[in-house]
Amino acid sequence: SQQGEEDPQALSIQEGENATMNCSYKTSINNLQWYRQNSGRGLVHLILIRSNEREKHSGRLRVTLDTSKKSSSLLITASRAADTASYFCATRGGYFGNEKLTFGTGTRLTIIP
Amino acid sequence: GAGVSQSPRYKVAKRGQDVALRCDPISGHVSLFWYQQALGQGPEFLTYFQNEAQLDKSGLPSDRFFAERPEGSVSTLKIQRTQQEDSAVYLCASSLGWGTEFSEQYFGPGTRLTVT
Repeated sequence: SQQGEEDPQALSIQEGENATMNCSYKTSINNLQWYRQNSGRGLVHLILIRSNEREKHSGRLRVTLDTSKKSSSLLITASRAADTASYFCATRGGYFGNEKLTFGTGTRLTIIP
Repeated sequence: GAGVSQSPRYKVAKRGQDVALRCDPISGHVSLFWYQQALGQGPEFLTYFQNEAQLDKSGLPSDRFFAERPEGSVSTLKIQRTQQEDSAVYLCASSLGWGTEFSEQYFGPGTRLTVT
């Protein structure tokens, strides 16, 4: 079963605008990761944030993590047409040896040129 | 460098047939994962290996699903007596190991299985 949910399920914005998507999860985690999936390149890792971190940046991406609320957000600034894809958060469990990722339901992002 | 490869990319099977899906991970990656992705959903964990040891198979939906990685490199996911509900994209991923710094998983392009 899916670990959690993402919202919105779908988002359409104009090129150049910022896109924010949210993720909620249910159990304790070691880290939370965001992945992008499109038909051309498959599922690609974007960024990882550890459970003891609150915010992380990578290029035009900003991720926040609130473990008390079991939620995370991904902000993409200055969006481009190439950012059109589905975005998934994925959590890695908090106990030793548990490497599997549990994915959310995803947000479909469409950037309108 | 070479990424994770999977074959075949597409497979059509008649209900009741057995299928075998292959995954070649990135060379040197210790951990290998299989996920199932239904249309419009996120990937769901099936099983994972550390080298040749299958450490977690809790996500395999039934005993018709079997995975192996006998030499700690290439892996095969086998589905016996396929059913229509098995239709999905099967994703393979690999990672360097189990530390947090190695958590990033590299995914293959997937095998789209259609059971008719």
